[in-house]
Amino acid sequence: DGGITQSPKYLFRKEGQNVTLSCEQNLNHDAMYWYRQDPGQGLRLIYYSQIVNDFQKGDIAEGYSVSREKKESFPLTVTSAQKNPTAFYLCASSRGLAGGYSYNEQFFGPGTRLTVL
Amino acid sequence: AQKITQTQPGMFVQEKEAVTLDCTYDTSDQSYGLFWYKQPSSGEMIFLIYQGSYDEQNATEGRYSLNFQKARKSANLVISASQLGDSAMYFCAMRDSNYQLIWGAGTKLIIKP
Repeated sequence: DGGITQSPKYLFRKEGQNVTLSCEQNLNHDAMYWYRQDPGQGLRLIYYSQIVNDFQKGDIAEGYSVSREKKESFPLTVTSAQKNPTAFYLCASSRGLAGGYSYNEQFFGPGTRLTVL
Repeated sequence: AQKITQTQPGMFVQEKEAVTLDCTYDTSDQSYGLFWYKQPSSGEMIFLIYQGSYDEQNATEGRYSLNFQKARKSANLVISASQLGDSAMYFCAMRDSNYQLIWGAGTKLIIKP
């Protein structure tokens, strides 16, 4: 089955720690995204990547870092510089811009709920 | 600035009734796309329906239809014959000129038996 996996499902972080959230897709999608969702709110874009070894900041990139060494993987690191990291994190992928897909539906993983202790 | 507005924070609907979830958007782009996603309590985002700005007919997918009124910049989701399993958060999103999605704040829909 093709899809997106995120791990762990729940993550607890102590103050001052860096933590890494995993995102893997086997949909052969070029583009991948990380979103943050706070209670009662919509999604806000943290980082996105349209191709391997390249990524761009979204609206709320401060305190986060990413890498895209493989097409299938797009891990997100929440650094100690992120002052309020408690949130629900969603990873998504899409076919990307290559080929001019106007539809470009994003497929989502099940999410990781991060709590700072 | 591009923006999505969902004015209904929450809605209660009787099972088997139709329900309309509102979405208005603001963009100066000529080419754009509008999406609706469902988010159950488990958290995953489920794609429901898509409408392109040049599509002349309203999109339909099973019990879901999109009431697209371009001049009014609205893209309301209509769910016919609602079911208990439709209880969830519903998000409207717009694809901008950079192919990124701009999201509304969502509407919490609760279906009453």
